[in-house]
Amino acid sequence: EAQVTQNPRYLITVTGKKLTVTCSQNMNHEYMSWYRQDPGLGLRQIYYSMNVEVTDKGDVPEGYKVSRKEKRNFPLILESPSPNQTSLYFCASSLKGSYNGYTFGSGTRLTVV
Amino acid sequence: KQEVTQIPAALSVPEGENLVLNCSFTDSAIYNLQWFRQDPGKGLTSLLLIQSSQREQTSGRLNASLDKSSGRSTLYIAASQPGDSATYLCAASDNYGQNFVFGPGTRLSVLP
Repeated sequence: EAQVTQNPRYLITVTGKKLTVTCSQNMNHEYMSWYRQDPGLGLRQIYYSMNVEVTDKGDVPEGYKVSRKEKRNFPLILESPSPNQTSLYFCASSLKGSYNGYTFGSGTRLTVV
Repeated sequence: KQEVTQIPAALSVPEGENLVLNCSFTDSAIYNLQWFRQDPGKGLTSLLLIQSSQREQTSGRLNASLDKSSGRSTLYIAASQPGDSATYLCAASDNYGQNFVFGPGTRLSVLP
């Protein structure tokens, strides 16, 4: 089944403890992206990647890192999480040119205490 | 910079009604526009994708139209059902088909 898989689905962590949220797609998509969703603010893009080893900042990149060493994986790294990064995170992917649109993962609900 | 708005923010209708959700975007140089459904606390499910060269797309009881010149898209839901209750988001891509910008969504409640 064609899908975007995020792990974990739920995560509670403490301030300052490094964490990684994984994202993997099995559709050979070139483009991958991370979003966060907050009440009243909607979906905001954190980082995106046009292809392997090509990444760029979105609208809210502060406090996050990404890497794209393989086409299928696009992990989101929070090196020193803070409570303001408590949010619902989504990974999405698409073919280059997005002819078929975006496919989203199921989301990761992160709580930083 | 592209901005996407959606009207209304919330809508409550009785079961069986036909309804229209509106999406507006400021930059008409889009590659495509996608409509999504999101249930509370869940992921986004793609409903319809309209390419910039198309005027509309249909899937079952859903019909989405696109008017690039006026910067508008509408999602028409026929014979609404309680199971249609969800938040509906539209997203407009940039001219290269990447980097979708999302609207804030319309929260729909269909009452039995």
